[in-house]
Amino acid sequence: QQPVQSPQAVILREGEDAVINCSSSKALYSVHWYRQKHGEAPVFLMILLKGGEQKGHEKISASFNEKKQQSSLYLTASQLSYSGTYFCGTVSGTYKYIFGTGTRLKVLA
Amino acid sequence: DAGVTQSPTHLIKTRGQHVTLRCSPISGHKSVSWYQQVLGQGPQFIFQYYEKEERGRGNFPDRFSARQFPNYSSELNVNALLLGDSALYLCASSLGGTGQNLGQPQHFGDGTRLSIL
Repeated sequence: QQPVQSPQAVILREGEDAVINCSSSKALYSVHWYRQKHGEAPVFLMILLKGGEQKGHEKISASFNEKKQQSSLYLTASQLSYSGTYFCGTVSGTYKYIFGTGTRLKVLA
Repeated sequence: DAGVTQSPTHLIKTRGQHVTLRCSPISGHKSVSWYQQVLGQGPQFIFQYYEKEERGRGNFPDRFSARQFPNYSSELNVNALLLGDSALYLCASSLGGTGQNLGQPQHFGDGTRLSIL
């Protein structure tokens, strides 16, 4: 079952914050986050492994609640370069990788 | 260092033909995965290979096959092409090893855009 992301799309002004959620109906053991710009390949952002773990990279951070089978990606003080489609990813079984439904984010000047 | 390289960049085929797509992983990476991405959707997992062995397979028909070579490069083969096979095919590499998928990032190539006429 594909993880469901919300919102499906969001438009921001530069400097605004956004939260992207990823929810799974199956147990999550790790969550990966990627960003894909139009016409380009997905780019790795971060991996969260433990329940309740939080990670950050500059102004992008994420949390992972293993019990709730959810992860959230936080983008603070958004920049134009943050525009793109964000995907969460997880592993089903041992070696079957599944991407979430995706969230299109556009940052306006 | 070179990233993941895929060839060709673009390809046009007709229904019923077969196609071979190639991928070279990042140096030192032993695991290669293949994905199909249809416009407007997320990547769909096709295969994962590690040390020349198939480790995982997605929900794709037997027309799709792949292999990994001793130098860790990989090929994806698709037979009897259908219009619905038109998509961007992405290759991703990772270090590989125990628990590889849980804790290792995947590094994607720029993809091969396949168009079926």
